[in-house]
Amino acid sequence: AQSVSQHNHHVILSEAASLELGCNYSYGGTVNLFWYVQYPGQHLQLLLKYFSGDPLVKGIKGFEAEFIKSKFSFNLRKPSVQWSDTAEYFCAVNARAAGNKLTFGGGTRVLVKP
Amino acid sequence: DVKVTQSSRYLVKRTGEKVFLECVQDMDHENMFWYRQDPGLGLRLIYFSYDVKMKEKGDIPEGYSVSREKKERFSLILESASTNQTSMYLCASSSIGDLLYGYTFGSGTRLTVV
Repeated sequence: AQSVSQHNHHVILSEAASLELGCNYSYGGTVNLFWYVQYPGQHLQLLLKYFSGDPLVKGIKGFEAEFIKSKFSFNLRKPSVQWSDTAEYFCAVNARAAGNKLTFGGGTRVLVKP
Repeated sequence: DVKVTQSSRYLVKRTGEKVFLECVQDMDHENMFWYRQDPGLGLRLIYFSYDVKMKEKGDIPEGYSVSREKKERFSLILESASTNQTSMYLCASSSIGDLLYGYTFGSGTRLTVV
């Protein structure tokens, strides 16, 4: 069974700082990769996804993520964060052989100080 | 606006009670999922369903059961609630064979078992 690890549970940074959240998964087969975001009091929303092709994917709100197959990683980045990026971020993996099941990481709480 | 609706936002139940959590989606999605969300553990899959009257165990099915009598409705049942089932419960849906849009999540039900 696949598993997903997010390296940081909490990240605190100031506005305009750069953000990088790590995500590693354990599964040897073909995968689809996702980042979800949960703003305070709101439901989870899809931030971006990778299915195939260019390993650098761009999502909403200036976020991007890079799939590095050799490292089993899918790290999320944003060059300059805003206070409104305060949220919890979840990495998720779908092993294509497992149908539509998503396995989520433990989440990273990001606090951006104004 | 398409959505997944969970019947209760907050619920408080006593130990030993039978608890029903309801989820309805209006997108004609075949797949429906129940997750629980706990700090540091992310989202863990309890049960999922690919079709009416069909159910599959997820990663943590113990103490739970589900019912899917209609395509749009997926119910999570706690047969005898215990304090370790205090958690946020999230329902999600997706179309079959296609994760292009990821999952659509409900707003969650925060269950407290006392």
